[in-house]
Amino acid sequence: AQTVTQSQPEMSVQEAETVTLSCTYDTSENNYYLFWYKQPPSRQMILVIRQEAYKQQNATENRFSVNFQKAAKSFSLKISDSQLGDTAMYFCAFMKHDLGMDDMRFGAGTRLTVKP
Amino acid sequence: KAGVTQTPRYLIKTRGQQVTLSCSPISGHRSVSWYQQTPGQGLQFLFEYFSETQRNKGNFPGRFSGRQFSNSRSEMNVSTLELGDSALYLCASTGTSGRGEQFFGPGTRLTVL
Repeated sequence: AQTVTQSQPEMSVQEAETVTLSCTYDTSENNYYLFWYKQPPSRQMILVIRQEAYKQQNATENRFSVNFQKAAKSFSLKISDSQLGDTAMYFCAFMKHDLGMDDMRFGAGTRLTVKP
Repeated sequence: KAGVTQTPRYLIKTRGQQVTLSCSPISGHRSVSWYQQTPGQGLQFLFEYFSETQRNKGNFPGRFSGRQFSNSRSEMNVSTLELGDSALYLCASTGTSGRGEQFFGPGTRLTVL
């Protein structure tokens, strides 16, 4: 079974600074997807960034980037130039790359607070 | 393109009752997944439907069931509600790009008294 671990329940960062959220996962699969989702307070969960396991290049989406270490089964999220609107719960998620297996496994989440 | 919609947004029920939640995926999406989110257990996968068939199921008791209609809309039902069923129930539809990402609805907040 796949498990996803986020070891930082809460983090805070000053506006405009950089913060890194950690995620590790356990799987015997070789082909899979990894995601970071953001859930702002009382708002909808939205996709921040995704990574396919077969790609060595780290994904980047504007101020968000990942450090994907497949051998170490690590998938951290770096947020640069943090903004107040980045305050949210961040969930790391894993999904097997397998037709008919659309079940996503989530970590427990990291509550990020961006301070002015 | 409209996003994933869920109705109702809030529900209050009492123990022993049953409840039905509805989810309409993004137009063109055929896969719908359901998740339960609680402070204690986090986000847990309930089940996933594709073309009216349940393809995958999480580790939940049989009181939790679902179905999908020909228009891809999905419902989940919880019978004989327990206090522990109080949660945010999220529905997600899977994109058609083959990239694996799921798009989430706003959720239904169920409170069991």
